[in-house]
Amino acid sequence: AQSVTQLGSHVSVSEGALVLLRCNYSSSVPPYLFWYVQYPNQGLQLLLKYTSAATLVKGINGFEAEFKKSETSFHLTKPSAHMSDAAEYFCAVDTGRRALTFGSGTRLQVQP
Amino acid sequence: EAGVVQSPRYKIIEKKQPVAFWCNPISGHNTLYWYLQNLGQGPELLIRYENEEAVDDSQLPKDRFSAERLKGVDSTLKIQPAELGDSAVYLCASSLGREVFNEQFFGPGTRLTVL
Repeated sequence: AQSVTQLGSHVSVSEGALVLLRCNYSSSVPPYLFWYVQYPNQGLQLLLKYTSAATLVKGINGFEAEFKKSETSFHLTKPSAHMSDAAEYFCAVDTGRRALTFGSGTRLQVQP
Repeated sequence: EAGVVQSPRYKIIEKKQPVAFWCNPISGHNTLYWYLQNLGQGPELLIRYENEEAVDDSQLPKDRFSAERLKGVDSTLKIQPAELGDSAVYLCASSLGREVFNEQFFGPGTRLTVL
């Protein structure tokens, strides 16, 4: 079975500070990993995905994530937070079922 | 290019009433998904279609939930009868191909409130 754990349901950072959203997965086979962002009253939007190519993945809006097999992690980072980054972020995994298993989400607040 | 369209955006019904949600995927996308998102949780897959065939409906509560995708384009998800615990956001997504790394595009969802 596959699962995703997002540590911290709420993260608050100051504008311009580093953003770090944590995601750990469990999977018995090499996973495909995704980060999605959800703004209020909108659908989910793909930020980036890992599909077994480079372990450091760059996405939209300045976000990136690093796949670390030894730590079973896929943490999302952004060097400098912007007010517009305030949203809910979901990590997801697929081990070939072609169905995403999502974490419970992390709400990012950006303080001015 | 138009995104995934869902209607209605909001629905309030009494328990035991039927309700239906409609989804129009992005043109040309042959894979369609319905997800359930409870408050404070990530989406959970209900059913996945490849064209008009439901290829993964293992998480769909078939005693009260049904879905169809006639002609492999639009899809309808129905609940009959609705229960209080069905209050949630129902998301539709579509993707161009069946491969897992094909991006899923999500609609804005239908927020269901059962009173």
